[in-house]
Amino acid sequence: QVVLQESGPGLVKPSGTLFLTCNVSGDSVTGTNWWIWVRQPPGKGLEWIGQGHHSDTSSYNPSLQNRVSISVDKSTNQFSLRLTSVTAADTAVYYCARDHFRGYSYGFDAWGRGMLVTVSS
Amino acid sequence: EIVLTQSPATLSLSPGERATLSCKASETVSSYLAWYQQKPGQAPRLLIYDASTRATGVPTRFTGRGSGTHFTLTISSLEREDFAVYYCQQRRNWPPGASFGGGSRIEIK
Repeated sequence: QVVLQESGPGLVKPSGTLFLTCNVSGDSVTGTNWWIWVRQPPGKGLEWIGQGHHSDTSSYNPSLQNRVSISVDKSTNQFSLRLTSVTAADTAVYYCARDHFRGYSYGFDAWGRGMLVTVSS
Repeated sequence: EIVLTQSPATLSLSPGERATLSCKASETVSSYLAWYQQKPGQAPRLLIYDASTRATGVPTRFTGRGSGTHFTLTISSLEREDFAVYYCQQRRNWPPGASFGGGSRIEIK
């Protein structure tokens, strides 16, 4: 059974950097899967932030391209999200997830519980 | 960037009734389309991938159909636990990318 768990600060100051880590158990980040970050502002829908692969390949939402980076750490079996220059609009529940990929996506089939990150001074 | 438009935004139905949700894409997504269910305070749950394949453990009352730019999710007979928000999602193979629709809520009438 795959379990994902987000961790990091729940409060970030405006103009600061948001940094979250997702711990993966029950699967290896070095396989063929992609590792995803999704966020959900309070009362709103889901937004794909981006995804990373252990081959150092990543892809990001164009609306966040200039501020976001995702990295996969083979040594700790974790992956992380870095979002710079945050504003109140970045306040959201942040989810990490697994994109089950075997040359083709079989969907985001495992999710963390989510972590609320508030941007406020 | 592919934009997914879901309709209706809200559907009011009674248990036992049939629900049909629509997801329209701004351009062809082939069959790289998935559906998720989200209940309050919970993470999304994968229901359907590849437009029509049920994920592990998903009841047979959930059916996904469609290709190209128009997709549907049908729940044949609503159970109480089906009242939730549903999202469609497309996945581009290369360069990798994804986007979600705005969601459709099924509420108890």
